[in-house]
Amino acid sequence: DVKVTQSSRYLVKRTGEKVFLECVQDMDHENMFWYRQDPGLGLRLIYFSYDVKMKEKGDIPEGYSVSREKKERFSLILESASTNQTSMYLCASSTRLAGATYNEQFFGPGTRLTVL
Amino acid sequence: SQQGEEDPQALSIQEGENATMNCSYKTSINNLQWYRQNSGRGLVHLILIRSNEREKHSGRLRVTLDTSKKSSSLLITASRAADTASYFCATAAFGSGNTGKLIFGQGTTLQVKP
Repeated sequence: DVKVTQSSRYLVKRTGEKVFLECVQDMDHENMFWYRQDPGLGLRLIYFSYDVKMKEKGDIPEGYSVSREKKERFSLILESASTNQTSMYLCASSTRLAGATYNEQFFGPGTRLTVL
Repeated sequence: SQQGEEDPQALSIQEGENATMNCSYKTSINNLQWYRQNSGRGLVHLILIRSNEREKHSGRLRVTLDTSKKSSSLLITASRAADTASYFCATAAFGSGNTGKLIFGQGTTLQVKP
């Protein structure tokens, strides 16, 4: 079974703090994604990565950065947390291997971040 | 940008009834997928339908795709209380295979009353 783990289920931070959200997958997937989920807005893509050290902006990258130094780990960084970044953050991964279900994503359990 | 729009936003039915959710999208796609999310958890893949398919079944799930109308529907038959969750459609655009990028709809919240 594919397993995607996120470092914390719940996190409370203060405005201005630097926040790291970690995501690890154990299936050697090439692609990894960070989303945020807010009521009524669905999932919005923040950043994604299709290879080690490669990253691409999603729909809402402002205020965030990412790091992918190893294939299995994709980190989301809030350089200076703000209250409007209070949200549920979801990490996902997928493979490009031939024969795999095209673009099927496997999700972690999510991190609910509160910025005070 | 979110290209998937789902309808209805919320649905409440009795156990045993069927639940139908609809999804519309804007661009040409390679495939369309449906995911389920239990409250406060991550999403789980349910079913995928390719652009050259019109209907697909998996257990109590039936998915249809109409590429001319750029729409899809998910039917859950004989619903159970355990089907209570949010359901999302997601589209994979042509050429997105290298990045694996999906575009998710806003979701339909289904409540099945026992």
